[in-house]
Amino acid sequence: EVQLVESAGVVVQPGGSLRLSCADSGFTFDDFTMHWVRQAPGKGLEWVSLITWDGGSTFYADSVRGRFTISRDNRKNSLFLQMNSLTTEDTALYYCAKGLDGSGTLWGQGTLVTVSS
Amino acid sequence: DIQMTQSPSSLSASVGDRVTITCQASQDISNKLNWYQQKPGKAPKLLIYDASNLETGVPSRFSGSGSGTDFTFTISSLQPEDIATYFCQQYDNLLPYTFGQGTKLEIK
Repeated sequence: EVQLVESAGVVVQPGGSLRLSCADSGFTFDDFTMHWVRQAPGKGLEWVSLITWDGGSTFYADSVRGRFTISRDNRKNSLFLQMNSLTTEDTALYYCAKGLDGSGTLWGQGTLVTVSS
Repeated sequence: DIQMTQSPSSLSASVGDRVTITCQASQDISNKLNWYQQKPGKAPKLLIYDASNLETGVPSRFSGSGSGTDFTFTISSLQPEDIATYFCQQYDNLLPYTFGQGTKLEIK
């Protein structure tokens, strides 16, 4: 079964940094735009960032722009999210997702990021 | 941002019932809408894309309809394995993509 597998959850202090990763076990990774989506405790889903299939374009939600950086390595079927200047507002379950724009869309199970002192 | 208003937030139905969930977009999104199923601790699973197209491998009891701003998701005959949370997501050209708040479906 093709799946996306995120790195393990962590606890980080406010102001700290963290790099999330997501590995695609399938064969179509470089066909798709990839995304990060998050869900804070008790809140709805929030789109965070996307990167086009070739890494040529990236986009961010206003809430993370300037602090988060999305990247990908198509040779390793991997997606990354570098998260800097973390605040308690960034505490959430972070999902990587493939596509989000039609057939073939696939989500990972999510990784919990807790920002706490 | 495009707001997605999903209702109801929870729903209790019996096995064999027809179940309907709606999503309303705050502006025209054509047919750029996905419907997902999410079971506890699991990844969301795409069921319907482009508002009405069934993803490969998804049972035919699931269906979607609508365009513009008003969309409907239907389970024609509820099965015990359908217990999950369902949510919509729009992917119109304008970022950010946005999501409905979800509908938690339970067996009566």
